[in-house]
Amino acid sequence: NAGVTQTPKFRILKIGQSMTLQCTQDMNHNYMYWYRQDPGMGLKLIYYSVGAGITDKGEVPNGYNVSRSTTEDFPLRLELAAPSQTSVYFCASSYSRWAGVANEQFFGPGTRLTVL
Amino acid sequence: DQQVKQNSPSLSVQEGRISILNCDYTNSMFDYFLWYKKYPAEGPTFLISISSIKDKNEDGRFTVFLNKSAKHLSLHIVPSQPGDSAVYFCAAAEGYSGAGSYQLTFGKGTKLSVIP
Repeated sequence: NAGVTQTPKFRILKIGQSMTLQCTQDMNHNYMYWYRQDPGMGLKLIYYSVGAGITDKGEVPNGYNVSRSTTEDFPLRLELAAPSQTSVYFCASSYSRWAGVANEQFFGPGTRLTVL
Repeated sequence: DQQVKQNSPSLSVQEGRISILNCDYTNSMFDYFLWYKKYPAEGPTFLISISSIKDKNEDGRFTVFLNKSAKHLSLHIVPSQPGDSAVYFCAAAEGYSGAGSYQLTFGKGTKLSVIP
């Protein structure tokens, strides 16, 4: 199992450009999440999905969009990139929504995005 | 307003000694707590967790203690090894005993350096 994979690993965008961060998991997890981690800060939830076709906002959704057409994929779309979106983005998945034993969130390796 | 606080940005410990990482929280609705470990250029990986019905959970060299009255938890690593050098994130969730929760609230992390 590859677990959670993310592409690209690094990206530099100009202000106003758009891009899609890809996330795929092969664990058949229903729940998927996007986080961002700013320097010296903890992870903050951007969007999450409880299954194909169902998504909802997290703590910091502004400037982002998501879709979930399959169980495996959960892409994050940045429209009109801004310097404030410079961050490391992590995708994660879990079997269910319960933050319980043996149901921890599994994280991908991250995408480092710089907006200049 | 930070609901999960890790007040020590960094900690250095000699190999073989005990490492103690601390975490405080303010939201009394949190009832499940997790520690994640993160190496550079990788995503966080789950380490150990504890529910609010317990005050201690042990897994090999790692023990987490929970003091609900003080809203404080700590992670003990004994003995510390150079491979433990990483950033440790404390995270909290609501709803373990009830409806369940998908959202983890993370602290800013503590960078542990274990000196050989």
